[in-house]
Amino acid sequence: QVQLQESGPGLVKPSETLSLTCTVSGDSISNYYWNWIRQPAGKGLEWIGRIYTSGSTNYNPSLKSRVTMSVDTSKNQFALKVNSLTAADTAVYYCARGHFDWLYIDYWGQGILVTVSS
Amino acid sequence: DIQMTQSPSSLSASVGDRVTITCRASQSIDKYLSWYQQKPGKAPKLLIYGASSLQSGVPSRFSGSGSGTDFTLTISSLQPEDFGTFYCQQSDTTPYTFGQGTKLEIK
Repeated sequence: QVQLQESGPGLVKPSETLSLTCTVSGDSISNYYWNWIRQPAGKGLEWIGRIYTSGSTNYNPSLKSRVTMSVDTSKNQFALKVNSLTAADTAVYYCARGHFDWLYIDYWGQGILVTVSS
Repeated sequence: DIQMTQSPSSLSASVGDRVTITCRASQSIDKYLSWYQQKPGKAPKLLIYGASSLQSGVPSRFSGSGSGTDFTLTISSLQPEDFGTFYCQQSDTTPYTFGQGTKLEIK
């Protein structure tokens, strides 16, 4: 059974950079692509971006150039960085696995609440 | 970006009812459409992918249909555990986008 676990700080100051890591267990990271998705409290889901194990990425233009994703296949991990944080970035952040057929997203991590506040 | 519009935004139904949720895309997405169920405090759970393929382990009372711009999620006989918020999501074009959600309450 594949499991995804987000890790990182729960509280970050405005203007600083958020760094999150997703550790994948139960399957090889190489057979899929990987996503970050966030959800502000009481609101809907926003796709942040995806990364393939080749390192190829696609980001949501809504976050403009503030997002960077990376992958470490040797550790079965992938990571997210978001810079220039504001209160609007406060949300639960999920990592999730994507399949190549129909590009659907199946397994999600439990999510990590990130609060941007001084 | 492709806009995904769900209806209704909320509904209340009784155990045993047939429930239908619709999702419309602002442009054709072929069958690159998934449905998720999210319960409070939990991550979304995949129900349907490829518009009509049932994810492994999901009860057969859930079904999906449609292609192009119009899609439907149907629960054939509502069960008490089927409450939550349902989202559609397109994976045809980045950025992937989600519908605004349909909150389902069990009467």
